[in-house]
Amino acid sequence: AQSVTQPDIHITVSEGASLELRCNYSYGATPYLFWYVQSPGQGLQLLLKYFSGDTLVQGIKGFEAEFKRSQSSFNLRKPSVHWSDAAEYFCAVGEVGRALTFGSGTRLQVQP
Amino acid sequence: DAGVTQSPTHLIKTRGQHVTLRCSPISGHKSVSWYQQVLGQGPQFIFQYYEKEERGRGNFPDRFSARQFPNYSSELNVNALLLGDSALYLCASSLGSDQPQHFGDGTRLSIL
Repeated sequence: AQSVTQPDIHITVSEGASLELRCNYSYGATPYLFWYVQSPGQGLQLLLKYFSGDTLVQGIKGFEAEFKRSQSSFNLRKPSVHWSDAAEYFCAVGEVGRALTFGSGTRLQVQP
Repeated sequence: DAGVTQSPTHLIKTRGQHVTLRCSPISGHKSVSWYQQVLGQGPQFIFQYYEKEERGRGNFPDRFSARQFPNYSSELNVNALLLGDSALYLCASSLGSDQPQHFGDGTRLSIL
């Protein structure tokens, strides 16, 4: 069965600092991987996706993620965090158009 | 273009009652999925429909049911509500099997 682990429940960074959110997955085949962001009381917005090809994928809002098969990881990065990035971030694995398996999320707090 | 729309946005019910949640996918999207997000956790897959046929079902009791209509909108029904059914219910749609899922803002269901 597929699973996703987000080891960090809560991360605090200063505005302008770099960010890396960790995601490890377990999946029997080549995974499709996603990062979503959720602001309080809202739904999930797709940040980026990995289907195949280049292992470094670019997303919206200046985010990027790198797929590392050997480490079963798909970490999310941003070089300079803005206060508006404060939200909950979810990593997900699954087949495109089918059920997604989500991690438990990482809550990002940004200090001024 | 309108995104995924869900109604109602908030709902309060008592134990034992029945509830119907509604979802309209993005125009042209034929696949709809339902997820339950309990506070502090990632979304859990409930159902997926494609072209009005059930394509997948998560580990939820038979009190949960869903259907998709000819216009691709969908309903999620929950019978005999329990306190543990209190959650944010998210609907997601996708264009097809090779496209990612896009989420609505959800229906917040509270059971008293």
